[in-house]
Amino acid sequence: DVVLTQTPPTLSATIGQSVSISCRSSQSLLHSNGNTYLNWLLQRPGQPPQLLIYLVSRLESGVPNRFSGSGSGTDFTLKISGVEAEDLGVYYCVQSTHAPRTFGGGTKLELK
Amino acid sequence: QVQLKESGPGLVQPSQTLSLTCTVSGFSLTSNSVHWVRQPPGKGLEWMGGIWGDGSTDYNSALKSRLSISRDTSKSQVFLKMNSLQTDDTAIYFCTTTAFAYWGQGTLVTVSS
Repeated sequence: DVVLTQTPPTLSATIGQSVSISCRSSQSLLHSNGNTYLNWLLQRPGQPPQLLIYLVSRLESGVPNRFSGSGSGTDFTLKISGVEAEDLGVYYCVQSTHAPRTFGGGTKLELK
Repeated sequence: QVQLKESGPGLVQPSQTLSLTCTVSGFSLTSNSVHWVRQPPGKGLEWMGGIWGDGSTDYNSALKSRLSISRDTSKSQVFLKMNSLQTDDTAIYFCTTTAFAYWGQGTLVTVSS
């Protein structure tokens, strides 16, 4: 199975600070069809996860553009340009290129 | 709009079978996949399996021997059945759509005698 390693496990930030989360895959996530099926989710406390980014860098409808995704192959990054209070929670990367689908271990974003 | 809602027993005894239902609206099961994801208390997310628009299924290899996913398209429902439950199967169980774009609120299943 593909292993997704997220770093850091915990991130402390002040409001307005820009932060980045890394997701590294044990295998290339480039599918034979040319797509890279790497998504980013945010799970706020007591809530189901919410899709933020799909196909590495495409912003889900309704998601603020302070969120951006980048990367290719095995290395991916989620950036938040100016953290807001509503951004606090746990971020997960998830891949659907290879079966079975797998999630990263999560990165908890806290207020400093 | 797209909605998913999980339902099932909150408590299951060890060694028994878990049966959950995901009732969907706002999209067709024949055109979209639905997946089950679970989350033990305080821990991360685990993909369990999914059923595709054509009715084919795929399972997490770690759960495959215990897990079955099916559907009733006329009722817009997807079913999960998992047998031989143990205490480490205690978790919130979510159903979600293709690309994890939409999620139900989840249902907590506790395995305990």
